[in-house]
Amino acid sequence: KNQVEQSPQSLIILEGKNCTLQCNYTVSPFSNLRWYKQDTGRGPVSLTIMTFSENTKSNGRYTATLDADTKQSSLHITASQLSDSASYICVVSALRNYGGSQGNLIFGKGTKLSVKP
Amino acid sequence: DSGVTQTPKHLITATGQRVTLRCSPRSGDLSVYWYQQSLDQGLQFLIQYYNGEERAKGNILERFSAQQFPDLHSELNLSSLELGDSALYFCASSTRTDHYEQYFGPGTRLTVT
Repeated sequence: KNQVEQSPQSLIILEGKNCTLQCNYTVSPFSNLRWYKQDTGRGPVSLTIMTFSENTKSNGRYTATLDADTKQSSLHITASQLSDSASYICVVSALRNYGGSQGNLIFGKGTKLSVKP
Repeated sequence: DSGVTQTPKHLITATGQRVTLRCSPRSGDLSVYWYQQSLDQGLQFLIQYYNGEERAKGNILERFSAQQFPDLHSELNLSSLELGDSALYFCASSTRTDHYEQYFGPGTRLTVT
């Protein structure tokens, strides 16, 4: 069964510190992996999208890595800010026409990050 | 602002009722996706439309239906509402059919009492 598992479920860090969020997936055939940031009660906002051939992608203080062999991804946040407090969602896309009840997108449940002053 | 609009922002209704949620995609986007997010749960994909035609179906209940109109706006109809249908409903749009880049709207919060 296609699954996306994220860890930790929640995380509390102090402002200015770094942190790393993990995403493991079993989706096959793999198309791409993306990380979204979702503020409470708001729609998700895309941070990065990576295809099979990409190992690292950065977006400001956010750096995502992808290891397609081990089917793992991480999102590293540098010098955290209070505004980074949000849920971070890992989403894996299967190749088109994979189908199934999930459609082509499989969502993780997210990591809830709280940045404290 | 993603450019995707959703109305209404909030909706409170009673069990057994029927509601319609509306989504206008970004200008030029042909694909519209609907998602449900229950309290403390992940996003659940419901259904996708591309240029007026259903493209993919997720865990959408039979009581729910959607359509995309010629002007590309989409509506999600929820009927025979139950307490468990209370959730945030998000619409997203993209230019492509393969979900490569999706832009999410602000969501509609549905409360069934």
